[in-house]
Amino acid sequence: QSALTQPPSASGSPGQSVTISCTGTSSDVGGYNYVSWYQQHPGKAPKLMIYEVSKRPSGVPDRFSGSKSGNTASLTVSGLQAEDEADYYCSSYAGGNRVFGGGTKLTVL
Amino acid sequence: QVQVVESGGGVVQPGRSLRLSCVASGFTFSSSAMHWVRQAPGKGLEWVTLISSDGSNKYYIDSVKGRFTISRDNSKNTQYLQMNSLRPEDTGVYYCARDWWWAFGIWGQGTMVTVSS
Repeated sequence: QSALTQPPSASGSPGQSVTISCTGTSSDVGGYNYVSWYQQHPGKAPKLMIYEVSKRPSGVPDRFSGSKSGNTASLTVSGLQAEDEADYYCSSYAGGNRVFGGGTKLTVL
Repeated sequence: QVQVVESGGGVVQPGRSLRLSCVASGFTFSSSAMHWVRQAPGKGLEWVTLISSDGSNKYYIDSVKGRFTISRDNSKNTQYLQMNSLRPEDTGVYYCARDWWWAFGIWGQGTMVTVSS
């Protein structure tokens, strides 16, 4: 039950694109197409942004997209906006259990 | 309105017990698996436990096995987390979340648990 690996920080200027990676193993990320991503602003509950690797829930802007290759999943935020500054967490199904990444703090410069 | 609301947090001494509750509304609770996720102060999210829609299957992170018990009452649209033998490292905000396509679809605002002497 080791945590997934995310970079601790990422940054970009308004209008730019940024990609956050999430690396696991064949027992979680690589073994299932059940990777999800969450946005968390300070003092707030997390919000689901991407599920099943690349699907967006209703209401999530299409600037947010997800993908996966092997044991690594990625979240791309295009056209960065000030309100995108937040912590982002990936999560994966792991055969019953679930596992999160350590989180990435996204800064909009 | 689809929502879940947690309650039951507080300050408790190490070794003592606490029971959290989560009341759901706006969706068919009896058809939804449910989770508890926690977040230590200043730290990341940690999945704790999952219960299937009918309560027949339960999963736990290793660090709480034998100490925490998840349960649900579908007639009350409520799930519970019984936490025994609490440790300082159990301190954090505990979130209730609805399982939705193998993701955490709906989150509550959380309830704070502090384990300290």
